[in-house]
Amino acid sequence: KNEVEQSPQNLTAQEGEFITINCSYSVGISALHWLQQHPGGGIVSLFMLSSGKKKHGRLIATINIQEKHSSLHITASHPRDSAVYICAVEGSYNQGGKLIFGQGTELSVKP
Amino acid sequence: DTGVSQDPRHKITKRGQNVTFRCDPISEHNRLYWYRQTLGQGPEFLTYFQNEAQLEKSRLLSDRFSAERPKGSFSTLEIQRTEQGDSAMYLCASTRTGNYNEQFFGPGTRLTVL
Repeated sequence: KNEVEQSPQNLTAQEGEFITINCSYSVGISALHWLQQHPGGGIVSLFMLSSGKKKHGRLIATINIQEKHSSLHITASHPRDSAVYICAVEGSYNQGGKLIFGQGTELSVKP
Repeated sequence: DTGVSQDPRHKITKRGQNVTFRCDPISEHNRLYWYRQTLGQGPEFLTYFQNEAQLEKSRLLSDRFSAERPKGSFSTLEIQRTEQGDSAMYLCASTRTGNYNEQFFGPGTRLTVL
């Protein structure tokens, strides 16, 4: 079993819909990252959080440390949100900051 | 553009050949990471440097792989005697140590071994 699991693996939505991507992890963590990857490979950091909730524009990320679960929400989705969204954690045992990644969720938003 | 660059962006090679990739991190970043990503999967950790010291290597990094960061600035990743299973996207990321280690990723080098 992977240390970081995401669901769903694929998601198709209509423009304007509210989207939720889930991430569960099995290790103790010091931080959780949400990343966005567009076709061609480039990865961009969206959020880094260790507790609570963060919001940036139409994106909201939440984390529940006790339940080892995080969610990424996209409100009023738009075709330009189409990308792969990746959850990654920094293990609390790990002093080097390396990331352990989920397999990604491929999101397609149709106009 | 995150400020992290990688070269080349694409590399096609024949099995058995050696290849070398370069990563230029953001200049004030002291940590540099190499990850590998195969199609449809999330990236996997390969190795990381703090300044010029290579502090951790994954078991994925066989003895055909070597990485250097000679002056604590750019880094190179060399794969000797490439195999078809080495075909992947090789990603570099950098960060500055502190309380919030946001990693900035380069565009990646896509390796195809024929």
